[in-house]
Amino acid sequence: GAGVSQSPRYKVAKRGQDVALRCDPISGHVSLFWYQQALGQGPEFLTYFQNEAQLDKSGLPSDRFFAERPEGSVSTLKIQRTQQEDSAVYLCASSLLSATNEKLFFGSGTQLSVL
Amino acid sequence: GDSVTQMEGPVTLSEEAFLTINCTYTATGYPSLFWYVQYPGEGLQLLLKATKADDKGSNKGFEATYRKETTSFHLEKGSVQVSDSAVYFCALTPSRSNDYKLSFGAGTTVTVRA
Repeated sequence: GAGVSQSPRYKVAKRGQDVALRCDPISGHVSLFWYQQALGQGPEFLTYFQNEAQLDKSGLPSDRFFAERPEGSVSTLKIQRTQQEDSAVYLCASSLLSATNEKLFFGSGTQLSVL
Repeated sequence: GDSVTQMEGPVTLSEEAFLTINCTYTATGYPSLFWYVQYPGEGLQLLLKATKADDKGSNKGFEATYRKETTSFHLEKGSVQVSDSAVYFCALTPSRSNDYKLSFGAGTTVTVRA
């Protein structure tokens, strides 16, 4: 595709449910980032992949959050036992370059609402 | 830790008006500074950046100057258009090498009326 694609666009979950959010980066992009954007706030860093290696997961808020990128392309962010405070827009971004935010392309995000 | 504070919105302007969005930062050393823009229904995209003191970033008629003495990176445009309606985010990355984590401000919503 032409850009970073995220699905679903909207997700409503009941508290306690597990959810999986998908990111399709631009083909060939080495770096992949996940950010969390709460309502009325700026995005906050969650995790960084270089190809299939998760080099930084320091921003994941709890052990309920898990991200993977097994073949170095598509990535999935999984949230187990969702809580209301997990409600946010989850943004994915990719770059052709490694370990940099240069030439970063963002997806439109997945809006997660936990009821 | 490093942080960014930007002017709260929303901001509503008439076409051809002058726009300023204030941004100040807290960081050690010499961070790189950015303005990102999010148009309705689209992903964040880089508007402009500056990587050292006194640098001026510019794009699409927007400008921002890296001011180390006032720790600021204010965004300006002399004559806005309806198509400039968007949410604008100030951001930084630390001065440490290979630090790719962007720290964003809360965003400022700008609406330009015809």
